[in-house]
Amino acid sequence: AQSVAQPEDQVNVAEGNPLTVKCTYSVSGNPYLFWYVQYPNRGLQFLLKYITGDNLVKGSYGFEAEFNKSQTSFHLKKPSALVSDSALYFCAVRDMGRRALTFGSGTRLQVQP
Amino acid sequence: NAGVTQTPKFQVLKTGQSMTLQCAQDMNHNSMYWYRQDPGMGLRLIYYSASEGTTDKGEVPNGYNVSRLNKREFSLRLESAAPSQTSVYFCASSVSGGGDYGYTFGSGTRLTVV
Repeated sequence: AQSVAQPEDQVNVAEGNPLTVKCTYSVSGNPYLFWYVQYPNRGLQFLLKYITGDNLVKGSYGFEAEFNKSQTSFHLKKPSALVSDSALYFCAVRDMGRRALTFGSGTRLQVQP
Repeated sequence: NAGVTQTPKFQVLKTGQSMTLQCAQDMNHNSMYWYRQDPGMGLRLIYYSASEGTTDKGEVPNGYNVSRLNKREFSLRLESAAPSQTSVYFCASSVSGGGDYGYTFGSGTRLTVV
């Protein structure tokens, strides 16, 4: 069965510094990987996805993610964090059996001014 | 605005009561999903409908039923609410099964069972 792990409950970073939110996955076959963001009292919003192709995927709001097959990781990155990036971030993997996404437990990103 | 609409936004139920959460999308998406969000557990799939006329169980289906009324609407029913069903419920839709083109989420229903 597919699964995804987010090892950090919270990540703290100062505004202007680079940020990384970690995600590792376990799948059988080729992985379909996603990042979503949730702002307070809102539904999740799609950020980016990896299906195939370049290992570095660019998405919304200046975010990017690096797919690493050997380490089974799909870390979310941004070169310079903004206070407005503070939110809950979810990594997800496509469940090939159920044809739906399986989400990680989420990582809360706090960007301090 | 196009998107996924969930009703109600908030609900308090007594143990044993029943209710139906409504979800409608106006993007002509084929697939629809119900997830619940609990602290520290992320989102867990309750039921999904890959296409109109089909529904399937997800990871945590016990205590729930669903109806894909038409292409637009996908409802979630709690027949006899229990405190363990206190959660935030999200409906989502996508162009196709698997969400390869991304999910669009509703704003959620916060349910408390006392």
